[in-house]
Order: sequence, then C-alpha cells, then structure tokens
Amino acid sequence: DSGVTQTPKHLITATGQRVTLRCSPRSGDLSVYWYQQSLDQGLQFLIQYYNGEERAKGNILERFSAQQFPDLHSELNLSSLELGDSALYFCASSVGTSGGDNEQFFGPGTRLTVL
Amino acid sequence: LAKTTQPISMDSYEGQEVNITCSHNNIATNDYITWYQQFPSQGPRFIIQGYKTKVTNEVASLFIPADRKSSTLSLPRVSLSDTAVYYCLVGSYTGGGNKLTFGTGTQLKVEL
Repeated sequence: DSGVTQTPKHLITATGQRVTLRCSPRSGDLSVYWYQQSLDQGLQFLIQYYNGEERAKGNILERFSAQQFPDLHSELNLSSLELGDSALYFCASSVGTSGGDNEQFFGPGTRLTVL
Repeated sequence: LAKTTQPISMDSYEGQEVNITCSHNNIATNDYITWYQQFPSQGPRFIIQGYKTKVTNEVASLFIPADRKSSTLSLPRVSLSDTAVYYCLVGSYTGGGNKLTFGTGTQLKVEL
C-alpha cells in the first residue's frame, strides 16, 4: 500500500460527459502528479500541483483541468469526454517539488471507460 | 523533453540476472533517471534512482554511463514474482516546472 488513495476505482460514462477523479496523497507529501496510461500512449504526465499551486504541465488537454485543495487532496476534471479518453488515470505524490529526483508514490488508479 | 525507449519485452528464468536498458539520447543536464515496476491493475512502484555511475540498493542496481544517454536496470536472481512491466523515468525540475518522460515500458516474463 503506497498510502495514496484514489476514487473511484472504476468509472463508466458517455461521450460528452464530465467526470471528476479524486486523489489523496500520502501523509506529509506536498506534491501531487496526475498521469494518464493508455495502451497506445503509455504513461503520460499530465499535471503537477505543489502545496496548492500548479507547478508543471505535461501533455494535458485543454478539456482537462485539476486543482489541489488546502487539505492537499487533488481532483482531476475531465470534460467533453471522447472515446479516446478511456484510460487508467494515476495520481502520485512526493515530498518535494521535483518529480525527477523525488520518489513518487502512485495510487491504485481510476479506470475510466467512455462509451 | 528526453525521448526514452526500451525493449518491448524480455524473457528470463528464475535465478538469472536480468538487465533492462533504457535509451534517453536527449537527456538534460539536470535530469535524473528512475525505474519503476508495475504489476497489472496497480500503480507503478519505485525501484531505484540515479544521476550517474552506479547505484545499488537491496533489490536492484542501476548503471549509468558517463554520457548518460542510456541506463541499465539490473535485477539479480529474478523470481516469478518479478514478472511485471518496468519503466524508466527521465526527468527534472527546472524553473519552468517538471519535465517528466516515461519510457515505453519493458514487459519482463520470468519462468521456472
């Protein structure tokens, strides 16, 4: 158990809809990262928050947004969903700002299916 | 961003040493190299991290040559439970934020 929790575990929705994925980081970790994992794109870094502020953006679509709340949990909002958004979405956390030289602890993921 | 490539799959037998290589030709000066292990339906799990030369911990070794354009994860005496997908991650934090690039992943299959 990494200490990172994600809800829901599974999500099935229709094209055009909007969903919210939730992540609670490990106790003491200030950074939260969001990743998308699909068969054709592999693991893609989406966005990072550190102590409530956005720190870095990766390959995140404009239809996607995220935020980190004062209690450090984070939410990833996906809107105008398309079939291609079906994927596993992982949240990870780390103590420091850098995802490159800090160990990241990954949650169990949310499997999103868009029909 | 560093482009990272790995072999798609590797097969081994229990008790053998396995070496998985990651190619990252465009690695930046500040980038670190980290390896993660992922089992089906689980999130990746940290194995080892390094910047240059050799790093060893209780489960693996990481070899990074002087030019840092590649890295090799070495798993000594693998067992069936090491069957998983292994990813290298190249990244660093600069003033512009994190640059994080995962490799394509290597499916390791260990047999008796």
